[in-house]
Amino acid sequence: QKEVEQNSGPLSVPEGAIASLNCTYSDRVSQSFFWYRQYSGKSPELIMSIYSNGDKEDGRFTAQLNKASQYVSLLIRDSQPSDSATYLCAVQTGANNLFFGTGTRLTVIP
Amino acid sequence: DTGVSQDPRHKITKRGQNVTFRCDPISEHNRLYWYRQTLGQGPEFLTYFQNEAQLEKSRLLSDRFSAERPKGSFSTLEIQRTEQGDSAMYLCASATGTGVGEQYFGPGTRLTVT
Repeated sequence: QKEVEQNSGPLSVPEGAIASLNCTYSDRVSQSFFWYRQYSGKSPELIMSIYSNGDKEDGRFTAQLNKASQYVSLLIRDSQPSDSATYLCAVQTGANNLFFGTGTRLTVIP
Repeated sequence: DTGVSQDPRHKITKRGQNVTFRCDPISEHNRLYWYRQTLGQGPEFLTYFQNEAQLEKSRLLSDRFSAERPKGSFSTLEIQRTEQGDSAMYLCASATGTGVGEQYFGPGTRLTVT
C-alpha cells in the first residue's frame, strides 16, 4: 500500500462549482498534513496545512482531516479557471519527512 | 525576491559527468530539504538539513549523491557520474521552526542527462 494515495484524475468541474480532492494515508501516527498546488512546469506552492481533526478554512479553500479514517480532503469553492493545476497531498512521515502523493489534476472549465 | 532560489534552472549534461546545484533558502529558515520530482509523480524526499547538520538522508539515495550546507545558509547538491535515470526536477524547500512544518519550494533545477 502506498503511503499517500490520491486519485490522479483528471477531475473536471465547471467554473463556479465546488472541486473536491481526496487523499488517504497509511501511517496512523502522522500529525501534519499539507496541500500543495503545482502548475504545469512550476514548483509546488503551499496552499493549506492542517494538524487537527475537523475543517480548516482559508478563503475559497477548506481542508478536512479525519485521522480515524486516515483521510484528508481539500474543497475549493467557486472554482476558477486559474485553479486548474495538479494538487499534491503531503503527509508527515517520521520526524523530518514529508511524503507526497502523485497528485490530482484539476481542470476548471469556463 | 525573498523566496527560495535555485541555480541553475536548467542543466543538460552527458552521462558520467558530475553536476552541482545550489539552493538559497528563505532568509533565516533553519531547515532545508532537497526533493526530486519526475513527470507524473510527487516530489520524493532526498535529504534534510537543520542549520548546517544533515539530519536525514533517504535510504533510496545513491552514494553518488551528496549534499552540504556548510554555514547553515545555502546548500549544494552534487551528483557524481550522472546516469540517464537521474534526469528529473530537483527541488529545494525551506522551512522555519521545529517539526516538519510548512515548506516553501524554490523553482527547481531541471536536469537532463543525455
